[in-house]
Amino acid sequence: SAVISQKPSRDICQRGTSLTIQCQVDSQVTMMFWYRQQPGQSLTLIATANQGSEATYESGFVIDKFPISRPNLTFSTLTVSNMSPEDSSIYLCSVAADSNQPQHFGDGTRLSIL
Amino acid sequence: AQSVTQPDIHITVSEGASLELRCNYSYGATPYLFWYVQSPGQGLQLLLKYFSGDTLVQGIKGFEAEFKRSQSSFNLRKPSVHWSDAAEYFCAVAQITGGGNKLTFGTGTQLKVEL
Repeated sequence: SAVISQKPSRDICQRGTSLTIQCQVDSQVTMMFWYRQQPGQSLTLIATANQGSEATYESGFVIDKFPISRPNLTFSTLTVSNMSPEDSSIYLCSVAADSNQPQHFGDGTRLSIL
Repeated sequence: AQSVTQPDIHITVSEGASLELRCNYSYGATPYLFWYVQSPGQGLQLLLKYFSGDTLVQGIKGFEAEFKRSQSSFNLRKPSVHWSDAAEYFCAVAQITGGGNKLTFGTGTQLKVEL
């Protein structure tokens, strides 16, 4: 399966700042996704990153708070904007070769907001 | 809407004992089902998947799962647990549409292995 690299692996940020998380895949993939895993919780889909167009957001997530870019078939970024302590979570990127293939995950970015 | 229930939040087993983790799903059509494992500080690793065909599927690390449509279940099993299996296990169902592949996860089962 594809090798997925996420950067940074962890960060501690100040309230009100923004952080951009990168997801790089070693092969071209059709599907890329961003998930949030709050402390002690399961994963919740934030959005589907669409290549060359705006991301598709799930209910409860908005572009102003979580802008996403996907300039090509191997790279995507998620920005967490105007952070508050409630944004402290693990953010995970996943990819799928196409819509009929399973998703594979990166190691995640562990984000703490002070 | 699809949903996944993992009734057991925590399970403790002795090393060498057998394991069964329960998963029930709700989905209108034929489901695509998955089990993932998350070790501390790691991302999720795919253990196995069910798309169609044989209802007993084999995965990595000696795990298997059985799809039972009549019970809406997809339980994960391992005949003999190793200490390294201690981790959190997530069951997931996929909604496959023309434009996407959306996963809905259960709340997870934390497995502890006693030596």
